[in-house]
Amino acid sequence: AQSVSQHNHHVILSEAASLELGCNYSYGGTVNLFWYVQYPGQHLQLLLKYFSGDPLVKGIKGFEAEFIKSKFSFNLRKPSVQWSDTAEYFCAVTLNTGGFKTIFGAGTRLFVKA
Amino acid sequence: EAQVTQNPRYLITVTGKKLTVTCSQNMNHEYMSWYRQDPGLGLRQIYYSMNVEVTDKGDVPEGYKVSRKEKRNFPLILESPSPNQTSLYFCASSLSPTPPGNTEAFFGQGTRLTVV
Repeated sequence: AQSVSQHNHHVILSEAASLELGCNYSYGGTVNLFWYVQYPGQHLQLLLKYFSGDPLVKGIKGFEAEFIKSKFSFNLRKPSVQWSDTAEYFCAVTLNTGGFKTIFGAGTRLFVKA
Repeated sequence: EAQVTQNPRYLITVTGKKLTVTCSQNMNHEYMSWYRQDPGLGLRQIYYSMNVEVTDKGDVPEGYKVSRKEKRNFPLILESPSPNQTSLYFCASSLSPTPPGNTEAFFGQGTRLTVV
């Protein structure tokens, strides 16, 4: 069955530390890849997305992600986190299965210590 | 202002009492979805709709119904709610589910449903 795995459920970092959140998916066909962020008490917002072309995509707030097709991975990175990055991060995949089903990972809660 | 509006934001109901959660978007988006968010499970897609009168099951459709009679509205119906449907529900819309259309999903504020 298709699935999206996020390896870290909770991450605690100090400000200025580098961040990498892992995301792997299981589906052999065409995918569209997304990272969303959910700040406490708010709805999800798009950080970045990948469909084709350069596998390194840049999003808002200094985030970037790299698509590695051979590893079915789409890891999120940020060189230097800030306290305001404290949030939950979700990786998502939209599959072209005739329809367009979207599958989210379980999420990673990031806490950044000031 | 571009937005996705869900109502109600909070709802407590009893087992078996039919309820509807409304979702409306003002961006002329074709693709709309319903998700439920549960701790440790992330968001799971319940149903999605590619356009008016076109709906399809997501990963967890059991116990739910949807309809898409107009482009802007995508209500979620629980015919006979049960306690295991207690969750946080999000509606989302995007212009298109796949490129070349704009695939950015806009989410509603969420509906916290408790079934007792």
